[in-house]
Amino acid sequence: DAKTTQPTSMDCAEGRAANLPCNHSTISGNEYVYWYRQIHSQGPQYIIHGLKNNETNEMASLIITEDRKSSTLILPHATLRDTAVYYCIVRVSNTDKLIFGTGTRLQVFP
Amino acid sequence: GAGVSQSPSNKVTEKGKDVELRCDPISGHTALYWYRQSLGQGLEFLIYFQGNSAPDKSGLPSDRFSAERTGGSVSTLTIQRTQQEDSAVYLCASTSTSGGSYEQYFGPGTRLTVT
Repeated sequence: DAKTTQPTSMDCAEGRAANLPCNHSTISGNEYVYWYRQIHSQGPQYIIHGLKNNETNEMASLIITEDRKSSTLILPHATLRDTAVYYCIVRVSNTDKLIFGTGTRLQVFP
Repeated sequence: GAGVSQSPSNKVTEKGKDVELRCDPISGHTALYWYRQSLGQGLEFLIYFQGNSAPDKSGLPSDRFSAERTGGSVSTLTIQRTQQEDSAVYLCASTSTSGGSYEQYFGPGTRLTVT
């Protein structure tokens, strides 16, 4: 199963873009990259996922490198409510199982 | 519509007792997952049910842990002879595998404290 590596923590000023990196150098060609976030004391929340093309939705953008060995989640205008732990996950191929790592703790400050 | 619900929200039990945790997935979701999250840690996969297939139990930490899913809907996670290291938040998630998104919807969790 492909593993992911993320920084333990990051800070971001309110209103600025938050760029959260993730390395997944052992990813297979048919494995998707998923991002979830967990706000304190809540269950994780789906953000976005992608295979090889960049993706954008109302919450964030996902940039995947051409070799697919890394990706970046972009929150274009971070707010205080975006303070959370962000998990980058590679979906195990041919199953629905997601393996969560320890994630990046993003602190948005005023 | 209703999301994933879990009960109880909090459970305090004495070491050695058995506990049952319940998960009601979103109606129509065919896949259901249990995770465990210890304080300050990431999520640890426990077990996964998909339709009528045999469950993936590869994450269960010991034979004291078991889970069942009746009628393809409600699931119960049972921990026998609880130990203090079982204290954690137990999260349930469900997903619809039609459409290919595999987005997991999480419940609010059950906080288990073993004294």
